[in-house]
Amino acid sequence: GQSLEQPSEVTAVEGAIVQINCTYQTSGFYGLSWYQQHDGGAPTFLSYNALDGLEETGRFSSFLSRSDSYGYLLLQELQMKDSASYFCASDSSYKLIFGSGTRLLVRP
Amino acid sequence: GAGVSQTPSNKVTEKGKYVELRCDPISGHTALYWYRQSLGQGPEFLIYFQGTGAADDSGLPNDRFFAVRPEGSVSTLKIQRTERGDSAVYLCASSSGPGAGELFFGEGSRLTVL
Repeated sequence: GQSLEQPSEVTAVEGAIVQINCTYQTSGFYGLSWYQQHDGGAPTFLSYNALDGLEETGRFSSFLSRSDSYGYLLLQELQMKDSASYFCASDSSYKLIFGSGTRLLVRP
Repeated sequence: GAGVSQTPSNKVTEKGKYVELRCDPISGHTALYWYRQSLGQGPEFLIYFQGTGAADDSGLPNDRFFAVRPEGSVSTLKIQRTERGDSAVYLCASSSGPGAGELFFGEGSRLTVL
């Protein structure tokens, strides 16, 4: 089967750095995406890694290691508005397979 | 349109009824996806269209679920003989082509089966 594992909840302080890990077991793997979803809202795209290494987009960075079937999302300078659910998703045979999500709570 | 549009935003129906959920993707996007999301879970893949044809329908849970995209733009997800377990948010997403790294999601249709 296809599965992605990520922590269910993470709590961090405003201004801090937090890392959300994701391990995957999927067939036909092309890359790893990350999405943010606020309560009641639509998932929105954050980043995509097709190759090993680090991709940086502003305060957010994402990392992929294909050999370890592992990736992470790094959020820096946390803001209250970053409180949301974060999903890793495997790009597998032209469709995205999502993990169950990590709920991030940012505290003042 | 500017984004992916889904209607209705909310649908309440009775067990056994038929429902249709509509998705209007971003103009020019050839790929269209349907997902289902239950509370506290990630989106669950249902079906993927490339143009008018269903390229992958492996996520449809059973034959009560069917989706069409007759002109390669708007898509309709059809659910027959609804069951209480079908209650969820049904999400539609589109992208500019094959390769699913970046999908643009609509706000979803919340289906409640009583």
